[in-house]
Amino acid sequence: QVQLAESGGGLVKPGGSLRLSCAASGFTLSDHYMSWIRQAPGKGLEWISSISSSGGVINYADSVKGRFTISRDDYKNSLHLQMNSLRAEDTAVFYCARAGGNYGDAFDIWGQGTMVTVSS
Amino acid sequence: NFMLTQPHSVSESPGKTVAISCTRSSGDIASNYVQWYQQRPGSAPITVIYEDNQRPSGVPDRFSASIDSSSNSASLTISGLRAEDEADYYCQSYDNNMEVFGGGTKLTVL
Repeated sequence: QVQLAESGGGLVKPGGSLRLSCAASGFTLSDHYMSWIRQAPGKGLEWISSISSSGGVINYADSVKGRFTISRDDYKNSLHLQMNSLRAEDTAVFYCARAGGNYGDAFDIWGQGTMVTVSS
Repeated sequence: NFMLTQPHSVSESPGKTVAISCTRSSGDIASNYVQWYQQRPGSAPITVIYEDNQRPSGVPDRFSASIDSSSNSASLTISGLRAEDEADYYCQSYDNNMEVFGGGTKLTVL
């Protein structure tokens, strides 16, 4: 079954760090363009980072540039997001999502999300 | 970069038709594909339209979408509204290696 499963969320103090993981099953993650997308409580979807299938193109939203790092472990078929210097406004559900699959460039597979709460 | 602007909310009665707009602030709406996602409370989004007007298998043909270059906007139309269509809907596009989501529209089926 083709699916994504995020983990690593939790409660962290402002200025702290957290590393999210996204395990892929049923497909090879490195064959696809992968993204992290977040959703603050009661708010809309916000794209924050993507990595190309080759791994050679990585992009970040301005809101996280310099603080977050996306990476991929092809042996473990997993995607990661290292988050440093966390702020209260980073509190959100974080989703990993696949593109370049069944629906062209659309995000066709999403994980269930992992909650990150930044609070003292 | 550009923004995608959607109405905050729309509402309509069961059986009726509703359209949700998505206006691109700069750049040509037709230059990059537009996708539409449906998100029910507590769930991850699912794709209801991709590549401007393509419907994934399993999505009812009550869902359709189009692009209008004159208004630089995309539109999602849902006909024969059903209670199960009540959800948040997001448009999404990209440019310069950046993905952009609209702010989302809450659809209420009265």
